[in-house]
Amino acid sequence: AQSVTQPDIHITVSEGASLELRCNYSYGATPYLFWYVQSPGQGLQLLLKYFSGDTLVQGIKGFEAEFKRSQSSFNLRKPSVHWSDAAEYFCAVADGSGNTGKLIFGQGTTLQVKP
Amino acid sequence: DADVTQTPRNRITKTGKRIMLECSQTKGHDRMYWYRQDPGLGLRLIYYSFDVKDINKGEISDGYSVSRQAQAKFSLSLESAIPNQTALYFCATSDPPGDTQYFGPGTRLTVL
Repeated sequence: AQSVTQPDIHITVSEGASLELRCNYSYGATPYLFWYVQSPGQGLQLLLKYFSGDTLVQGIKGFEAEFKRSQSSFNLRKPSVHWSDAAEYFCAVADGSGNTGKLIFGQGTTLQVKP
Repeated sequence: DADVTQTPRNRITKTGKRIMLECSQTKGHDRMYWYRQDPGLGLRLIYYSFDVKDINKGEISDGYSVSRQAQAKFSLSLESAIPNQTALYFCATSDPPGDTQYFGPGTRLTVL
């Protein structure tokens, strides 16, 4: 069965520091991979997605993620965190064949940014 | 205007009451989804619909039902609400299959 694991429930970084949020997935075929962000009281906004091609994906707000098939990982990175990045981040995987469009989400990682 | 809207945004109800959460979208997508979010569990799929005549159960459909009144409208019902259905509920749409899902702002439901 498909699954997504975000090992870090809560991360605190200082403003201006670099950030990496981990995501590991379990899926037998080619996955579609997503990162969403949820600001307090808001819905989920797509940061970036990977379907195929270049394994380094650029997203909005200066985020990027790298797909590593050998490690079953899709980690999210940002070189310099801003206070406005404080939010909850979700990694998700979808059926790469496109048959169902269903997303399986990780448990989420809450990012706190220190001044 | 938002592409995916949900009503109500907040609702407090009592055990045993019937409640309906509504979702509307203006994106013209065929596929719509209902998720619930619980702390530490991420989002879990309740139901999804490929079109008006195609509705499917997700991983946690027990205690819920849905209605797809039109391409743009997808409602979630709790026939007899119970406290462990207290959660944040999200509606989403996507098109084509496997593509990005667009989420509504969520409905915070509290069952007392």
